[in-house]
Amino acid sequence: EPEVTQTPSHQVTQMGQEVILRCVPISNHLYFYWYRQILGQKVEFLVSFYNNEISEKSEIFDDQFSVERPDGSNFTLKIRSTKLEDSAMYFCASSERDRDRVSGETQYFGPGTRLLVL
Amino acid sequence: GQNIDQPTEMTATEGAIVQINCTYQTSGFNGLFWYQQHAGEAPTFLSYNVLDGLEEKGRFSSFLSRSKGYSYLLLKELQMKDSASYLCAVHSISGGYNKLIFGAGTRLAVHP
Repeated sequence: EPEVTQTPSHQVTQMGQEVILRCVPISNHLYFYWYRQILGQKVEFLVSFYNNEISEKSEIFDDQFSVERPDGSNFTLKIRSTKLEDSAMYFCASSERDRDRVSGETQYFGPGTRLLVL
Repeated sequence: GQNIDQPTEMTATEGAIVQINCTYQTSGFNGLFWYQQHAGEAPTFLSYNVLDGLEEKGRFSSFLSRSKGYSYLLLKELQMKDSASYLCAVHSISGGYNKLIFGAGTRLAVHP
């Protein structure tokens, strides 16, 4: 069964450094998302991406964050200058977004990248 | 504003039935998802309700009442492996684009 994959599984970085988190969405999906989950807290929406542009972003997704689809398969989240409070699990998700089918709306999540900023 | 409420913790016995409730007040409501999340892992899809009523899928059922802003997840014949967090998530659409707004999750402990 197709699945969303993410690399790396864990990333440790120093405050102020740039990190790039990578995701490979399910191949026939058109909509891509990033969510984050701070330890012990709820899953929070960061950004959605469709047709090579951001479709919606949350207040969390400030100028330090950017997303890109550099080729036909990868979807990346970049944090330019990491802060301690960026430490969290980052989940990538994708969906077909076929509104004629319930399954087309379902967002499937990758296994996550655990980011620790020191 | 967006508000999703679900109990923080529940406990149940193996073989029993448990109902996890979720109430919501959100804009752009298009449906409600339930996800299961084991500690340190990704949310995995359980169910999606768009219309009012009950959706049954094996041991798991989910109910939605849009007028009441209420949903529940029903787990039957509980197994030890069902110990996990259960996340209620509103599917919100605005401007044609969609996102999930999650509740804080209900941590379910199943004991023998």
